[in-house]
Amino acid sequence: SQQGEEDPQALSIQEGENATMNCSYKTSINNLQWYRQNSGRGLVHLILIRSNEREKHSGRLRVTLDTSKKSSSLLITASRAADTASYFCATDAKAAGNKLTFGGGTRVLVKP
Amino acid sequence: EAQVTQNPRYLITVTGKKLTVTCSQNMNHEYMSWYRQDPGLGLRQIYYSMNVEVTDKGDVPEGYKVSRKEKRNFPLILESPSPNQTSLYFCASSFSATYEQYFGPGTRLTVT
Repeated sequence: SQQGEEDPQALSIQEGENATMNCSYKTSINNLQWYRQNSGRGLVHLILIRSNEREKHSGRLRVTLDTSKKSSSLLITASRAADTASYFCATDAKAAGNKLTFGGGTRVLVKP
Repeated sequence: EAQVTQNPRYLITVTGKKLTVTCSQNMNHEYMSWYRQDPGLGLRQIYYSMNVEVTDKGDVPEGYKVSRKEKRNFPLILESPSPNQTSLYFCASSFSATYEQYFGPGTRLTVT
């Protein structure tokens, strides 16, 4: 089974609203990353948060990490139509060796 | 411009006809990997390479081969493609397995 599981699987919001998606994982991690994928294209790295960090910001993105709950959230504030994409978390687990494991993704639709 | 390139971008072929998908990066990355992306299954790693002449199996290596003769290139070889290898393939590179990954644009393969 996947290490990272995103929730919800799909999200539809109006432009200007905030979008929040979550990632839960099973085993202790070193780092957690978020990626964006526009339809059918390559993934683009958004942000990396280390296991000893609790929150990180990058522009309109805010990522939190709660290692006690084994979960992370990605918040996109003041969403734009261009934010329409799938968002994936990827974990680097201590027990999984030297690799990244991707979740199934959250599809976000931002309606103009 | 820093990038990962893949060729071809689209390929329709028949069962059993050997094919190679090329991947090249210009960022002097040591780590390169191949993923396949299928609906409902997310992104799964096929093979990875920590450095020149060093390759290893990912989660779904059956039916695939790779080579890493030069640092910049990491071709994916399907010796005898089958319809269950119809998928969207991504090459990625990075300074390490667990750091920010740079993805290529993807190769959509259909095997009939």
